[in-house]
Order: sequence, then C-alpha cells, then structure tokens
Amino acid sequence: EDQVTQSPEALRLQEGESSSLNCSYTVSGLRGLFWYRQDPGKGPEFLFTLYSAGEEKEKERLKATLTKKESFLHITAPKPEDSATYLCAVQANSGGYQKVTFGTGTKLQVIP
Amino acid sequence: NAGVTQTPKFQVLKTGQSMTLQCAQDMNHNSMYWYRQDPGMGLRLIYYSASEGTTDKGEVPNGYNVSRLNKREFSLRLESAAPSQTSVYFCASRDPGTKSGNTIYFGEGSWLTVV
Repeated sequence: EDQVTQSPEALRLQEGESSSLNCSYTVSGLRGLFWYRQDPGKGPEFLFTLYSAGEEKEKERLKATLTKKESFLHITAPKPEDSATYLCAVQANSGGYQKVTFGTGTKLQVIP
Repeated sequence: NAGVTQTPKFQVLKTGQSMTLQCAQDMNHNSMYWYRQDPGMGLRLIYYSASEGTTDKGEVPNGYNVSRLNKREFSLRLESAAPSQTSVYFCASRDPGTKSGNTIYFGEGSWLTVV
C-alpha cells in the first residue's frame, strides 16, 4: 500500500528563517510526487511535480527536491505570506493512473 | 477562467437528509474527482470519472453516488446523510493526456456538517 508521511506536522518560523519540510513515501514504483499549498478555507494549489530521484524544481522562495525515499520542500527566507499548509502526494505506477495518495500536510506559520 | 467551481460552499444537513454537491470545470479536462478532507487525514478519493460517461469508486465510496452529467460537470450525492460524512469536500480535475496531465486542479471546497 502506498504511504506518504509528512513531518513536522506544524512548523513555526521567524520571517527570514530558512527551513525544510519533509515528505517520506513508500510506493511500488513512483510515477510522480506532487507538492501543493493549501490556504485556510481554500482548495489545494499546485506547486511542483517531481518525477525521478535527483530532480529539483524552484519557485520563488520554494525549492523541491526528490530522492528515492523522500522529498524536501526547502523554504528560503520565508515571508508571512508563505504561511499555509503544504501537502505532499504521490502517484505510483501501480494502482491505476487515477490513484494519488496524499499526506496529512505540514502547517507552516511564518511570524513577522 | 474560473477553473473548478463547486457549490454550495457551506451546508448543514440533518441526519437522513439528502443533498447534491455540484461541480463544474471550464478547462476541458477529461478526468474529474471528488475528495474529502478530514482533520489528521490526507485527502481521500471518494469517486472519480476518468472520462465523460464513466465513473468509478475511489477509496471511500460508501454512502455516496456520483453523476458525470457531461464533460464539464460532475456531481456528488449523499442519499441519506450521516454524521460521519461531516467533512470538507473538494472537486478536482485534470487532463491525463496532456503535458500537464499530472497536475490536479482543485475547487475551493464545500463544508458539510451533518447533525
């Protein structure tokens, strides 16, 4: 069974204090790993898709990396507007194309 | 471009009542989904429609039915609501046959409380 575990559950940072969020996964053949941002009262918003170990993608202050067992979302010099819950999800080669397994998220709070 | 639109935003139901959540997407996507999100649990797939005219069960289908009305619209029906169905429901869509086909686009959510 595909599994996704995100840590920490919650993270509180001072503005400008860089850190990383972790997403550990177990799948039988990774088709893709996704990062989403979810603001309170809103639906998840797509950030990145990573396909193979060693791949990296960046967007503004966010950088996502991927190994064979985990993915990191690095946040450099965060601002208060980066406060949100960050969701990780995986899609395996098995189980059908439609099956995407989501983690429970890391709630990030950036304090001015 | 509205993306994925779902209604209603909020709803309170009494146990045993029925209701339908509506969803429409304007991105011409083939695949549409209904998820529920509960505290401490990841998004869980209720039902999906890989293409117009087809629907399939996801991870937690019990107590729900769906209809893919046309390519744009995908509705979720609770026939006899139970308190365990109190949750936030998200409609989503994507187009597997395209370059960005792995990207799932979500609606804003529907908050449902069953008392």
